[in-house]
Amino acid sequence: DAKTTQPPSMDCAEGRAANLPCNHSTISGNEYVYWYRQIHSQGPQYIIHGLKNNETNEMASLIITEDRKSSTLILPHATLRDTAVYYCIVETGANNLFFGTGTRLTVIP
Amino acid sequence: ETGVTQTPRHLVMGMTNKKSLKCEQHLGHNAMYWYKQSAKKPLELMFVYNFKEQTENNSVPSRFSPECPNSSHLFLHLHTLQPEDSALYLCASSQTGTGETGELFFGEGSRLTVL
Repeated sequence: DAKTTQPPSMDCAEGRAANLPCNHSTISGNEYVYWYRQIHSQGPQYIIHGLKNNETNEMASLIITEDRKSSTLILPHATLRDTAVYYCIVETGANNLFFGTGTRLTVIP
Repeated sequence: ETGVTQTPRHLVMGMTNKKSLKCEQHLGHNAMYWYKQSAKKPLELMFVYNFKEQTENNSVPSRFSPECPNSSHLFLHLHTLQPEDSALYLCASSQTGTGETGELFFGEGSRLTVL
C-alpha cells in the first residue's frame, strides 16, 4: 500500500548535497511524510518527518511542497557513509508506516 | 545501539519445527512492531502492538503468531513455515503520540532461513 514514488537509484559526489525526491500525490491533509534509510544488513534508521512545514535536523532537511504532493530530502554534505536505501513513507494512520522500494543512493568518492 | 534488541540474530529451521523470535526494547515505548524483509522486496508491516494490544495484522498467515506480554517484549512464534518465509525479520518500537507514529527504532533483525 505504498503511496509514494521514488527513483530507484541516484548517485551523488562526496561532499556535495544529495537531493532525493519523492512524489505522494494522493496524500491526505493529516498524513505525515517520513524518511528512513537502511544501510546494508542493518535495520532502518529514522531521518526526519514532517506534515506541512519544512523541517531540519542534524542529519537532513525535508522540503515539502505547498500542495504537499511531493517532498525532497536533502543531505547537505554527503559522505560515503550516507550510501544506503532511502525510504519516503506516507503515514496512513498512527502506527501504520508502509515502506516502498526506496531510492538506492550511492555516494561516489 | 538503538535500544531494541532482537534474538537470535540468525536462525535456521526445518518446515516442521517450532521456534520463536524475541524482541526487547529498553526505551519505555508504548508501541512495538514486526516487519518482514524478503530479498529484493520492500519491508512488509506484519503486526503492530499498542499498549500490549494488537492493533494491526496485515493479512499475515496463521503460521506466524505474535505475542506481546508487556510493552517491553514482543515475540514472533513460528510453526510449519515454508521456504518462502525465509527473510530478515525486524522488530521496532515507538512512542506513539496523538495522530502520529513518531520515530521508529529498529533492531538489527533476525535472519531466518527455512529449509
